[in-house]
Order: sequence, then structure tokens, then C-alpha cells
Amino acid sequence: DQQVKQNSPSLSVQEGRISILNCDYTNSMFDYFLWYKKYPAEGPTFLISISSIKDKNEDGRFTVFLNKSAKHLSLHIVPSQPGDSAVYFCAASNTNNNDMRFGAGTRLTVKP
Amino acid sequence: DAGVIQSPRHEVTEMGQEVTLRCKPISGHNSLFWYRQTMMRGLELLIYFNNNVPIDDSGMPEDRFSAKMPNASFSTLKIQPSEPRDSAVYFCASRPDGDNQPQHFGDGTRLSIL
Repeated sequence: DQQVKQNSPSLSVQEGRISILNCDYTNSMFDYFLWYKKYPAEGPTFLISISSIKDKNEDGRFTVFLNKSAKHLSLHIVPSQPGDSAVYFCAASNTNNNDMRFGAGTRLTVKP
Repeated sequence: DAGVIQSPRHEVTEMGQEVTLRCKPISGHNSLFWYRQTMMRGLELLIYFNNNVPIDDSGMPEDRFSAKMPNASFSTLKIQPSEPRDSAVYFCASRPDGDNQPQHFGDGTRLSIL
């Protein structure tokens, strides 16, 4: 039962350009959404989140957009840097964030 | 400030042996989570605790798996007896109480059952 889907297993972009990672969810009860970044041999690191009362949240080079009607969120990274190369996981939960569901991840490669 | 600490980082053992994974959450975090990551199923929640009490263990795959949290700074995940299909990376995460607080993950234990 995949409630959170990341349909692109990989994405490659040039340094300095925009990276757009996409995520879809099916459970309309989700109201808190997160992006995590994972390097090899490390745990996922929290990157940015958004609650369902907003449609955009920005933190430096990272912006998350939420389209509740489409049950879709995206992460924009601009400008992309080689150090951004990692696996990005989308996650969704209800507000208390105790039953968090993860997507399968998208491997981002930023080429110098 | 120290993050979530997991030990061991790697564990290789033979089928049938007991395996114990350990986790120290971030101080002050009231909730603790155990996840398993596999190629086939991705990251899946096994069990979580709030204030040392198990709240939801519906993700625990079978009776061979058990988890405890004897105090606010320590939790264990035990597999007995272990099987090759238990091979995975096991992550522990913690979060403080309050709405919209992200979970913070340890670096995981890579478990290989031969």
C-alpha cells in the first residue's frame, strides 16, 4: 500500500540549474509533509517541511510546494550544487508525525 | 548537540542467532521510532514509543522481533532467531513532542544474516 510515491528513481541536473523532485500521495488525511536527504552510509537528514495550511515553504535554496487538490508536492533546489547529490525522500504524516510514510526516494546527481 | 546514536553500525551474524540493535535518542525527545530499509519495501516503520511506552507495533513483521525502551535514553530492537530475510538497514529516529516536529534519524545499523 504505497501511500507516498516518488515516480522518478533518479534525476540528473547541471550545477547551477534548478532541480525539481516530485512526490504524490494518496491519503487525504496527511497534513504534514517533509523532505529528507540521505547520503550513503548515513541516516536520512531532515531538509524542509510544509503543513497543509500552506502551499509554499522556502528555506534558502530549497522550496517545497504543496498542491493539496492534486495531492502533489515538489522540492525545488536552486541553484543546484554538486554537494546536493544524494537520495531525496518525500514523507507524509498527520500532524503528530508519528505514522510517517516514505516514498521510495529519488537519487539526485548534480554534475559540475 | 549529539544526534541519535545507533550501535552497532554493522552486524554480521549467522542465521538463528539473536541480534540486538541499540539506540540512544536525542535528549529531550519524547518519541522514538524504529524503521527498516530494504530494496523491496523501502523505509517502513516497525514500532514507535512515546514517553517510553510502545504506542504502535503494527509494523513489527513477526514475533521474532521485539523492542523495548527501559528509559528515556535507551531502546533496543531484538531479533530472535534471526533469518537471512531480516538483512536490512535498521534506523532509529526520535522527535520532541509538539505538532509538526520532524523526526531525526541515526545513521543506522546494517544487518547481514548469513
